[in-house]
Amino acid sequence: SQQGEEDPQALSIQEGENATMNCSYKTSINNLQWYRQNSGRGLVHLILIRSNEREKHSGRLRVTLDTSKKSSSLLITASRAADTASYFCATDKGANSKLTFGKGITLSVRP
Amino acid sequence: SQTIHQWPATLVQPVGSPLSLECTVEGTSNPNLYWYRQAAGRGLQLLFYSVGIGQISSEVPQNLSASRPQDRQFILSSKKLLLSDSGFYLCAWSTKYRGVKTQYFGPGTRLLVL
Repeated sequence: SQQGEEDPQALSIQEGENATMNCSYKTSINNLQWYRQNSGRGLVHLILIRSNEREKHSGRLRVTLDTSKKSSSLLITASRAADTASYFCATDKGANSKLTFGKGITLSVRP
Repeated sequence: SQTIHQWPATLVQPVGSPLSLECTVEGTSNPNLYWYRQAAGRGLQLLFYSVGIGQISSEVPQNLSASRPQDRQFILSSKKLLLSDSGFYLCAWSTKYRGVKTQYFGPGTRLLVL
């Protein structure tokens, strides 16, 4: 399967609730990044966590990284309808100029 | 600040026709450049990437090609489109600074081959 697999594939929550999305990967990484894509638009970088970091915060976003389990989670707290989008994790193995993107999670936040 | 442009935004082409999609970046020099394709509701498939003028790496065999005639210009082409070439095409750039390859995406081109 592909490096950078997110789960669940789709998530529907009520506004104000927290949304947790997970990403697993298979090989050693240099860093892991999360991106957001609104429907019909390009991807926007949200946050990057390096392999030697365990947790990182940015506003309502909290990212964790467990290199022993080769997994990461993205938590969006106090979700808003505007958070409705697809979310992708991407792994950077550091060996070349590429990122490997997962298939994405579709988040729907109901007002 | 850096900006990335793609055009056209939408394109409808008949099978067998040629294709040329253009991507340009402003506000940075010597970027890495990338072409991705995204099928409806799916993830991103890396098609090509370039670390410099004239340097193109192809990720998947296909009837598409890419060229980088200038430092901040990346072109995706096809001589004869197939139905399976339909999709959402995204261009992205990244710096080479400290090896952290955060990518910045353009708005995309939606291609429909009929």
